[in-house]
Amino acid sequence: DAGVTQSPTHLIKTRGQQVTLRCSPKSGHDTVSWYQQALGQGPQFIFQYYEEEERQRGNFPDRFSGHQFPNYSSELNVNALLLGDSALYLCASSRDGGGEQYFGPGTRLTVT
Amino acid sequence: AQSVTQLDSQVPVFEEAPVELRCNYSSSVSVYLFWYVQYPNQGLQLLLKYLSGSTLVESINGFEAEFNKSQTSFHLRKPSVHISDTAEYFCAVTRGRSGGYQKVTFGTGTKLQVIP
Repeated sequence: DAGVTQSPTHLIKTRGQQVTLRCSPKSGHDTVSWYQQALGQGPQFIFQYYEEEERQRGNFPDRFSGHQFPNYSSELNVNALLLGDSALYLCASSRDGGGEQYFGPGTRLTVT
Repeated sequence: AQSVTQLDSQVPVFEEAPVELRCNYSSSVSVYLFWYVQYPNQGLQLLLKYLSGSTLVESINGFEAEFNKSQTSFHLRKPSVHISDTAEYFCAVTRGRSGGYQKVTFGTGTKLQVIP
């Protein structure tokens, strides 16, 4: 049973650039949530996708956007990157938006 | 709105000693509670969860946590820690109803350092 997978593992970008991160949910899961984990902090909720729609959103600017595909995989896009966007980005999947979420290994984004 | 407070940012403990990692939550509605563990440079792994039923929940590697509604706590305990338990532990809460597209709110984490 494949768990949650994310790509790429690491990424280095320059301020002002745009980035796309990808996530495939655990088999049987239909809901994907994205979190930002800054160094030394707990994960902060960005948004959640279910049935290809954004269902909930945390306190993140519109520079952060996402998409969910018919196969339930998801993308996180960040435009106009800032140094403060450097973090570990975690994807989590669940069934029917339930609270029991399974996390992927994360994508480490460094903005220089 | 819900929130989680982890009272200790770091907890050093000697190997084979007991440990308790504290977690308090705030919510105006019923909750689901979780403990996640994060090893260096890795994602989060679900350690244990409280959804309903027995207030004492256990993990396969010897950790346990007890849901205390009156004290709004969900402290994590282990009677005897091992070097391999060194990691960061996150307490998390979400609203306790299914199908609600619930976001998970995390605490700031507690780094457990097991000393040989």
